[in-house]
Amino acid sequence: AQSVTQLDSQVPVFEEAPVELRCNYSSSVSVYLFWYVQYPNQGLQLLLKYLSGSTLVKGINGFEAEFNKSQTSFHLRKPSVHISDTAEYFCAVSAGGTSYGKLTFGQGTILTVHP
Amino acid sequence: DAGITQSPRHKVTETGTPVTLRCHQTENHRYMYWYRQDPGHGLRLIHYSYGVKDTDKGEVSDGYSVSRSKTEDFLLTLESATSSQTSVYFCAISEPFRREGTGELFFGEGSRLTVL
Repeated sequence: AQSVTQLDSQVPVFEEAPVELRCNYSSSVSVYLFWYVQYPNQGLQLLLKYLSGSTLVKGINGFEAEFNKSQTSFHLRKPSVHISDTAEYFCAVSAGGTSYGKLTFGQGTILTVHP
Repeated sequence: DAGITQSPRHKVTETGTPVTLRCHQTENHRYMYWYRQDPGHGLRLIHYSYGVKDTDKGEVSDGYSVSRSKTEDFLLTLESATSSQTSVYFCAISEPFRREGTGELFFGEGSRLTVL
C-alpha cells in the first residue's frame, strides 16, 4: 500500500519570493513520484515527475523537486513565484508498470501568491 | 490539450436516483480512469480500464460501476446516488507506460455532481 502526505494545506507567499511545498510518501515498493498543478475549475496538469536517475528533477514553469529516498520526501520548489502560480498542487505516487496511472494523491496544497 | 470531453459538466440530482457520467476521448488511448476529488482527500481512484470491456476497481469503488464498450468512451454509473457521492469527478487517459516519456495521464476538466 502507498500513501502520500502533503504537510501544508495552504501556503501563502509574496510574489518573487521562493516557495517550497512539502510531500512525504510511504510505500513498500519502489515508486514513481509526481507533482500536478490544478488551476481553478480545470483538470490536473503534470508539473514534473521522478522515475529514476538524478534525484533533482526539473519541470515546467520553473519548478523543480528533489527526491530523497532516505527521508521518503519529494518536495517541490520554485526560487521566485509569480501571481500566475496561484493554484492547488498535488503530490502523487504510483508503483509503475501497469499501475503507472493508478495514482495515490496527497491532500493538496493551495499556493496563494500575493502581490 | 488532450481530446477529453466529460459530460455533463455539472449535475444536481436527488438521493436514490441513478446518474451516469460520460468520458469521451479522441486520442485513442488504451487506458482510462475515473477519479473523484474531495477537499482534504486529493483525488482517489474509483475505477479504471485497460481496454474495451476490461475494467477493474480502484480505491473507492463501492457504489460505482463502469462500462467501456468502445475505446473512446468510459462511463461511470452511480446506481443509486447518495449525498456522500457529491464530488468532482475527473476522467483521465493514458497509453501504457513503457519507458521515459510514456504513460502520462491527461485529465479532463471534471464533472461536478451534487446529490441532494
